Amino acid sequence: DIQMTQSPSSLSASVGDRVTITCRASQSIYNYLNWYQQKPGKAPKLLIYGASSLQNGVSSRFSGSGSGTDFALTISNLQPEDFATYYCQQSYNNPLYSFGQGTNLDLK
Amino acid sequence: QLHLQESGPGLVKPSETLSLTCTVSGGPIGSSSYYWGWIRQPPGKGLEWIGSIYYSGSTSYSPSLQSRVTISVDRSKNQFSLKLSSVTVADTAVYYCARPSSFLNYALDVWGQGTAVTVSS
Repeated sequence: DIQMTQSPSSLSASVGDRVTITCRASQSIYNYLNWYQQKPGKAPKLLIYGASSLQNGVSSRFSGSGSGTDFALTISNLQPEDFATYYCQQSYNNPLYSFGQGTNLDLK
Repeated sequence: QLHLQESGPGLVKPSETLSLTCTVSGGPIGSSSYYWGWIRQPPGKGLEWIGSIYYSGSTSYSPSLQSRVTISVDRSKNQFSLKLSSVTVADTAVYYCARPSSFLNYALDVWGQGTAVTVSS
């Protein structure tokens, strides 16, 4: 199994801030790393695929970086609608995927 | 526009089998480019990958659930299904179906809305 470890598990920030969430894989997954946003009571929404490619319709305030085992999701100029839980997911070991434990981003 | 919709009982008794169906609309399930998958989320917890099925019928399951999981596809109904046997309260969760896309590094680009399943006597 490929284990995915996100940090931090929770994060408080203000509107207009820039925040970064990191994700580490237990082995190299090249660029097979995806990021999702989940709001309460809703299904996750794909934000970033292939470590750094922005999904259609997603705000350019979201960006992804990294390769191998270390990855990051950065959200710039935080907006009220960005406060949510974020998950990373590896798709290298297709079709046996795994998720990070999630990062809860809330309003300071 | 592809749409996924989960359906099935919201309450299952311990030791019984949980059965859910995901209906795919807006496109054929039998496309050679796609897998179809199941994910669950216990209350207040994170996402857990359950398993997936390829259009051809080949399957892959999470090692932690492999002994209890069966995923199947019905191309005539454009549906795929999940069966989880011998359930316990630990299987209480929201269950999602989703599509990994080979065009997007197998990211899950389409999700159902999720269906809540409670295991209780």
